[in-house]
Amino acid sequence: DAGITQSPRYKITETGRQVTLMCHQTWSHSYMFWYRQDLGHGLRLIYYSAAADITDKGEVPDGYVVSRSKTENFPLTLESATRSQTSVYFCASRLDNEQFFGPGTRLTVL
Amino acid sequence: GDSVTQMEGPVTLSEEAFLTINCTYTATGYPSLFWYVQYPGEGLQLLLKATKADDKGSNKGFEATYRKETTSFHLEKGSVQVSDSAVYFCALSDNEGIGTNAGKSTFGDGTTLTVKP
Repeated sequence: DAGITQSPRYKITETGRQVTLMCHQTWSHSYMFWYRQDLGHGLRLIYYSAAADITDKGEVPDGYVVSRSKTENFPLTLESATRSQTSVYFCASRLDNEQFFGPGTRLTVL
Repeated sequence: GDSVTQMEGPVTLSEEAFLTINCTYTATGYPSLFWYVQYPGEGLQLLLKATKADDKGSNKGFEATYRKETTSFHLEKGSVQVSDSAVYFCALSDNEGIGTNAGKSTFGDGTTLTVKP
């Protein structure tokens, strides 16, 4: 099916470990985004990308790294996971000002 | 910078009640306005949108009108159902290529709606 897929859907890891969350779109939308959703904070933008090899920081980038070597993929890496990074992570793409969201990854850092 | 303020929740209504969720915005340009809905365990999906002043977006019985004079985009539905229980997000998106907001959307904090039978 066309759309945005995220993997894994659920992940439990330990403090200090590196974790990579995957995001794949079946379209060729230029813009892609990573958000985290926490109770009381709504959606917060972590990183975004305007095209392959072009990325920029959002509101809360510290502790995260992104890359975009291909238009369809936009992985998010937590270099050394912390408990404060326990959250639900959403990837999205954009076309004509509308955003299309993936189903989310629920990450728990113990 | 751009911002979106929406009505705090949670909102609890009985089935067939009238729904209003208020949303106001500040923006430097002429943004497009959106309502997204998030059902439990899912990502956000577009509910409706309006791209210019006085436009009315509508979908699934929900409506919202782009009011430039009051910088508002309130969501309404005449008769809610249990299946409307979800989190609703108001959002704006600046035109691509303008300033530091280029390509990005600004979201409100979300309003949780629970509809009881």
